[in-house]
Amino acid sequence: AQSVSQHNHHVILSEAASLELGCNYSYGGTVNLFWYVQYPGQHLQLLLKYFSGDPLVKGIKGFEAEFIKSKFSFNLRKPSVQWSDTAEYFCAVTILYNFNKFYFGSGTKLNVKP
Amino acid sequence: KAGVTQTPRYLIKTRGQQVTLSCSPISGHRSVSWYQQTPGQGLQFLFEYFSETQRNKGNFPGRFSGRQFSNSRSEMNVSTLELGDSALYLCASSLDRTSGRNEQFFGPGTRLTVL
Repeated sequence: AQSVSQHNHHVILSEAASLELGCNYSYGGTVNLFWYVQYPGQHLQLLLKYFSGDPLVKGIKGFEAEFIKSKFSFNLRKPSVQWSDTAEYFCAVTILYNFNKFYFGSGTKLNVKP
Repeated sequence: KAGVTQTPRYLIKTRGQQVTLSCSPISGHRSVSWYQQTPGQGLQFLFEYFSETQRNKGNFPGRFSGRQFSNSRSEMNVSTLELGDSALYLCASSLDRTSGRNEQFFGPGTRLTVL
């Protein structure tokens, strides 16, 4: 079975600090990659996605992620976090021949201190 | 366009009972997936329906079942509830593009508490 690992379960940062959340997946073939965010009390929403092309993907709210195929990674970054970025972040993967089944990581809770 | 809607939003049941949750996808979306979300476990995939057929299935016991109707609306059922079934149940819909470039849109979830 495919797996998605998010090694940071809980991250605490001060405002203006830089953020990098790790995401690794196990599938060796073609993948689609996603980062979703769940703000307190809100729906899961898509932050950014990678299907093909430029491995550096920009999303909403200043987030970006880099796909490194050789490392099976898709890490999420933001140069300067804000208190409003406090949320839970989920990495997800779909694989070739079954782009309808999403494999999610266990999530990373980010707390940004004002 | 209206988003994914789920009903009810909150549900309290007792052990041994059964429950049915409902999901209406975004108009035009024919793929509907269900997830169980619990603290520390992330999103556990239950199943995915497309054109009234279960196309993908996760590793949940047979007590968890689902179906999809011709209008793409979906229901999931949990029979003989256990305390461990307490969770947020999320529904997500997608367009099911032949290119494979699918993204899922999530509903607000149904919070199920089993006492």
